[in-house]
Amino acid sequence: AQSVTQLDSQVPVFEEAPVELRCNYSSSVSVYLFWYVQYPNQGLQLLLKYLSGSTLVKGINGFEAEFNKSQTSFHLRKPSVHISDTAEYFCAVTISSASKIIFGSGTRLSIRP
Amino acid sequence: GAGVSQTPSNKVTEKGKYVELRCDPISGHTALYWYRQSLGQGPEFLIYFQGTGAADDSGLPNDRFFAVRPEGSVSTLKIQRTERGDSAVYLCASSLAGDLGGYTFGSGTRLTVV
Repeated sequence: AQSVTQLDSQVPVFEEAPVELRCNYSSSVSVYLFWYVQYPNQGLQLLLKYLSGSTLVKGINGFEAEFNKSQTSFHLRKPSVHISDTAEYFCAVTISSASKIIFGSGTRLSIRP
Repeated sequence: GAGVSQTPSNKVTEKGKYVELRCDPISGHTALYWYRQSLGQGPEFLIYFQGTGAADDSGLPNDRFFAVRPEGSVSTLKIQRTERGDSAVYLCASSLAGDLGGYTFGSGTRLTVV
């Protein structure tokens, strides 16, 4: 079975500072990886996804993530955060298009002015 | 419709009562998923429909939970004899078949069992 671990439940960061949200996964087969964002009082929204090819994937709002197979990681990064990035971020994994997506427990990103 | 619609947005019910939560997916999306999100947790998978049939119901916690999708579009999640532990936000998502990462989530139904 697959699983996802988000190592930090909360990440406080100053506005315009860089941020990295960590995600590690476990699976015995090849995986597809995702980051979703949940803004306050809104539904989940896809930020970016890794399916194949380049291990560096770019998403919306200036976020990017790097798939590292040897470290089984898929960390999310942004070089300069904005107040509007305040949200909960979820890493997720699946093994195929016919399988469920499994989510991590989330990382709450809070931006300090 | 333009997005995934879930009704009601909020539901308060008494312990022991029966509730139904509705999900109206994006038109043409054959895959439909139900998740449950408790406070401070990530979404927890409940059930996945491909068309009218449940392709994977391994996440349903017990036999009090049941979901249907009789015509392959609207789905209803049914909870019998509700318990306080069932309180959570119930999320629905839909996608085209085989569209990896193409889930569109609804805003959820917040269920509170008192």
